[in-house]
Amino acid sequence: EAGVTQFPSHSVIEKGQTVTLRCDPISGHDNLYWYRRVMGKEIKFLLHFVKESKQDESGMPNNRFLAERTGGTYSTLKVQPAELEDSGVYFCASSFYRGPRDTGELFFGEGSRLTVL
Amino acid sequence: GENVEQHPSTLSVQEGDSAVIKCTYSDSASNYFPWYKQELGKGPQLIIDIRSNVGEKKDQRIAVTLNKTAKHFSLHITETQPEDSAVYFCAAPPGRSGGSNYKLTFGKGTLLTVNP
Repeated sequence: EAGVTQFPSHSVIEKGQTVTLRCDPISGHDNLYWYRRVMGKEIKFLLHFVKESKQDESGMPNNRFLAERTGGTYSTLKVQPAELEDSGVYFCASSFYRGPRDTGELFFGEGSRLTVL
Repeated sequence: GENVEQHPSTLSVQEGDSAVIKCTYSDSASNYFPWYKQELGKGPQLIIDIRSNVGEKKDQRIAVTLNKTAKHFSLHITETQPEDSAVYFCAAPPGRSGGSNYKLTFGKGTLLTVNP
C-alpha cells in the first residue's frame, strides 16, 4: 500500500512568490496533518483536518498560509507571498480517525523542502 | 500549551554500546508519549510509544521508560547498530486531548550516530 506522498520534494522560490505544496494521505485516513521543521528546530504543528473539515489550525503562522482539503482526500498548503522565514521542511502526516485502527501513530510523508531566497 | 525539551541534541556511540535520549514535558495531564525516528531523506516514523498507565515498554532492542511524577520519558537503545543512526524525536500531545495523537508537540530532535 502506498504511503503518504508529498509533492514537490524540494522547491526554491524567491521572496514574494507563491508556492503550493501537495499531500496525498494514505487511503482511508480521515486525519491529515501539516507540520513544519525549520532548520535545527522542533517539528511544529500547523493544522489538522478530519476529512475536509479543519479541526485545529492554531499552528498556522499567519494569513499568508492557506490549507485546503477539498473532498476530504488530498490536501494543499499554499504560501502567498513567501517570506524568508518560511523556509523549512513541510511534513504531511495522516492517520485513522477514531475506531480500533486509531492507534495514535502518525504516518509521515518524506516532506517538502521549501527554500525562500 | 505543551512544552517538550529533548537532550542531548547530538549523541555519538560505538557500535554495540547503548544510547539513551531523554525528554521532559510540561503538561501533567499528557498521557501518550511516542518516539519517532527520521532517517536521512525520509519522514519521521514511529518506533515505540507509551501510555501513562505503564512505566516501561520494550520492543526488542528499544525501550521507553516514563516517570509521570518527574514528567520525563526516555528512549533506550541497546546493542546499537550503524542502521540506528538517525534523528530521533520525542513528542507529547496536550493533556486535554485525552491521549490522542492530535497536535503533537515534538522535541528538537537528537542526531544519533553509531560508529562501526
